[in-house]
Amino acid sequence: GQQLNQSPQSMFIQEGEDVSMNCTSSSIFNTWLWYKQEPGEGPVLLIALYKAGELTSNGRLTAQFGITRKDSFLNISASIPSDVGIYFCAGQRPYGAGSYQLTFGKGTKLSVIP
Amino acid sequence: GAGVSQSPSNKVTEKGKDVELRCDPISGHTALYWYRQRLGQGLEFLIYFQGNSAPDKSGLPSDRFSAERTGESVSTLTIQRTQQEDSAVYLCASSSGQSETQYFGPGTRLLVL
Repeated sequence: GQQLNQSPQSMFIQEGEDVSMNCTSSSIFNTWLWYKQEPGEGPVLLIALYKAGELTSNGRLTAQFGITRKDSFLNISASIPSDVGIYFCAGQRPYGAGSYQLTFGKGTKLSVIP
Repeated sequence: GAGVSQSPSNKVTEKGKDVELRCDPISGHTALYWYRQRLGQGLEFLIYFQGNSAPDKSGLPSDRFSAERTGESVSTLTIQRTQQEDSAVYLCASSSGQSETQYFGPGTRLLVL
């Protein structure tokens, strides 16, 4: 099935550094989402973006919905060891009747060196 | 329940056998989704339920895959005559009609030998 282009695939950073990852698509989405997945767990929603150009923060996380509605980025500032995990972007479109179609990127695996 | 639960958490089976994976969504959530996650990959959509009906089955990889949902609650994903390429983590998510957020279960790790 369709997947988004997410980069980088993996990152090794020092604790305290900032991190940036992004997603692009050939299709327009109504909503962009960023999830984090830790080993043995399902993805957990971090940030949701609903409007083109929107910039949203959640603690040390900042994400933006691209103007073209075909891309998004996620920044993590001052990384800490518990930021380790796989980060997924997802584009969302409505099916209707309160249900939504998600298309996921392949993920960015983040490793933080203490 | 407090969250989405899935069982079994791990399943090892032999090629050619059938397997059933179960998902218990958050109580009251009307929408339920199944995804497959291969090693090192993102999530591939398989099927979704609105109530007990499945308006979109387009992600099911082959006719060996089927799913049902009963009582607008529990869902079962069945894979018949499993193949090695079916090895993956199968994730279930649910959402309510009022919020679009999908809440994921921990997944079932399937290994086909």
